[in-house]
Amino acid sequence: DQQVKQNSPSLSVQEGRISILNCDYTNSMFDYFLWYKKYPAEGPTFLISISSIKDKNEDGRFTVFLNKSAKHLSLHIVPSQPGDSAVYFCAASPTTSGTYKYIFGTGTRLKVLA
Amino acid sequence: NAGVTQTPKFQVLKTGQSMTLQCAQDMNHEYMSWYRQDPGMGLRLIHYSVGAGITDQGEVPNGYNVSRSTTEDFPLRLLSAAPSQTSVYFCASSYNRLRGVRGANVLTFGAGSRLTVL
Repeated sequence: DQQVKQNSPSLSVQEGRISILNCDYTNSMFDYFLWYKKYPAEGPTFLISISSIKDKNEDGRFTVFLNKSAKHLSLHIVPSQPGDSAVYFCAASPTTSGTYKYIFGTGTRLKVLA
Repeated sequence: NAGVTQTPKFQVLKTGQSMTLQCAQDMNHEYMSWYRQDPGMGLRLIHYSVGAGITDQGEVPNGYNVSRSTTEDFPLRLLSAAPSQTSVYFCASSYNRLRGVRGANVLTFGAGSRLTVL
């Protein structure tokens, strides 16, 4: 049972345009969400996070939106750059005291075309 | 400050062999975990630890053992390797979220260990 889903395996976007990556989850106990970027042959690197007490968080070109009622979050990258081409994972953690037992989605491969 | 260090980077095993993937962090993180990444499956949690002497199972624990004798180290053991364990393995760590430390909620990953079981 996939608790965190990224239904789009891949996405292509023109340089300078907006990239929107989506993520859905099923467990209502999830209360903290992360987005990671992964280049080939490297470990995932943290991008941005959001807590369930917020519905939006911004960091430079990256904005994450959380819709708790729909159990949906999205990552917006504006403007997209060729260096953003990577696999993006969303991750969710349940309310568990003292731990971050993150469950990851299957990832979306973003290709930004120059 | 090395962060999270994983060794080896590459390993080829024969079915039935045993081996240990090493993970060490120098950030004094209480929480450590192991994930495996497979095509189309994303990152799946194998085992995790909230501190020295405490470990627990994740989503896909079968075939793997872990122990946490020190804060810094969290080795992953394959006792009898199977072809289904061919994967890229990532170790990750973070502070205990109850610390209230900035960034305590974020996992820091190692560079990965690619394992092939023939």
